[in-house]
Amino acid sequence: EIVLTQSPGTLSLSPGERVTLSCRASQSVNNNYLAWYQQKPGQAPRLLIYGASDRATGIPDRFSGSGSGTDFTLTISRLEPEDSAVYFCQQYYNSGTFGQGTKVEI
Amino acid sequence: QVQLVQSGADVKKPGSSVKVSCKASGGSFSSNAISWVRQAPGQGLEWMGGLLPIFGTPIYAQKFQGRVTITADESTSTSYMELSSLRSDDTAIYFCARDAVPGYTGPYYFDFWGQGTLVTVSS
Repeated sequence: EIVLTQSPGTLSLSPGERVTLSCRASQSVNNNYLAWYQQKPGQAPRLLIYGASDRATGIPDRFSGSGSGTDFTLTISRLEPEDSAVYFCQQYYNSGTFGQGTKVEI
Repeated sequence: QVQLVQSGADVKKPGSSVKVSCKASGGSFSSNAISWVRQAPGQGLEWMGGLLPIFGTPIYAQKFQGRVTITADESTSTSYMELSSLRSDDTAIYFCARDAVPGYTGPYYFDFWGQGTLVTVSS
């Protein structure tokens, strides 16, 4: 099983700041089969990024993904108050596993 | 627009079973796999298994093999997840989610999610 480790656990930031979230895999996630989700309290996750760097439909361009192999990042270029949420990465190269999440507080 | 609507919250005794439904609308039910993902209180997400209706053969995460059964009724565009031998640590929100890539059993990434169903296991 591929284990995904996200860091940091929690971030407290201000609107307009730039933030980079990390997702590290215990083994290579080939084909860049990595996705990112945003989850707000009481809601289902929302797909942000797939294929490590492709934005899902309707996702603002302030969200971007990058990385390959075992190291992936999600960047939010200019934080908005509505970006307060928990962010999860998911690999789908070998079955499907999720990271434990990074909480972003604004 | 695809919508997944799940059945309501449930309370179960340890050792019993629970069956959660997920009714799809607005898309082609048979062509995209439906997966089930759970989230224990305050915890992360855990993929349990999935099924592509046109193939009919489910796949399960190893952790849940033998305890979970995922089925689909194409006539009503509904997926079902049954979990047996419930324990207190099965208390969680159970989500159904649609695989974004059609024609494959998956799991891939998930573009549409149900609203979640809280299952509480308590004596």
